[in-house]
Amino acid sequence: KQEVTQIPAALSVPEGENLVLNCSFTDSAIYNLQWFRQDPGKGLTSLLLIQSSQREQTSGRLNASLDKSSGRSTLYIAASQPGDSATYLCAVTDSWGKLQFGAGTQVVVTP
Amino acid sequence: EAQVTQNPRYLITVTGKKLTVTCSQNMNHEYMSWYRQDPGLGLRQIYYSMNVEVTDKGDVPEGYKVSRKEKRNFPLILESPSPNQTSLYFCATEGQGRNEQFFGPGTRLTVL
Repeated sequence: KQEVTQIPAALSVPEGENLVLNCSFTDSAIYNLQWFRQDPGKGLTSLLLIQSSQREQTSGRLNASLDKSSGRSTLYIAASQPGDSATYLCAVTDSWGKLQFGAGTQVVVTP
Repeated sequence: EAQVTQNPRYLITVTGKKLTVTCSQNMNHEYMSWYRQDPGLGLRQIYYSMNVEVTDKGDVPEGYKVSRKEKRNFPLILESPSPNQTSLYFCATEGQGRNEQFFGPGTRLTVL
């Protein structure tokens, strides 16, 4: 069974610093990997989707890499802002089309 | 505007009183699913539907029912809610091709 792990569980950085969030998965036979943002008590907003054939995706200050062979993805957020404070979730779609989520990394960016 | 809507957003009820949480999407997506989110357990899939009249169990289906009579709607039914079903519920749809997931705003359910 696919297991998705996110480390660290929580992270606090001063404004302006770059954020590095890690996601690992146990089965490399994935269809894609998606990063989400969740604000407290709110729904999930899709940030980036990386297909299994891709190595990275970029959107503004966000960059996500994917290394299928080692079962890892990293989300980079450049020049963090207080508005980036949220929980970030990664999820992999396995070969059966099933989505498996990590537990998330709670990020606090202090002014 | 492409969106997934859920109703109600908040609900407090008592044990055994049947309830339905509605989910509707305007993106013409075939795939829809329900998740629950609990502290320390993350998001877990309850049921999913590949298309109209096609539904299947996810990881935690016990105590829940779903139906998919039309493409845009996918209601979640709790026939006899219990306190262990107190949770934050999300409906999601999946776009064709890219398999990108779109989530509704969530329904916070408390069963007393």
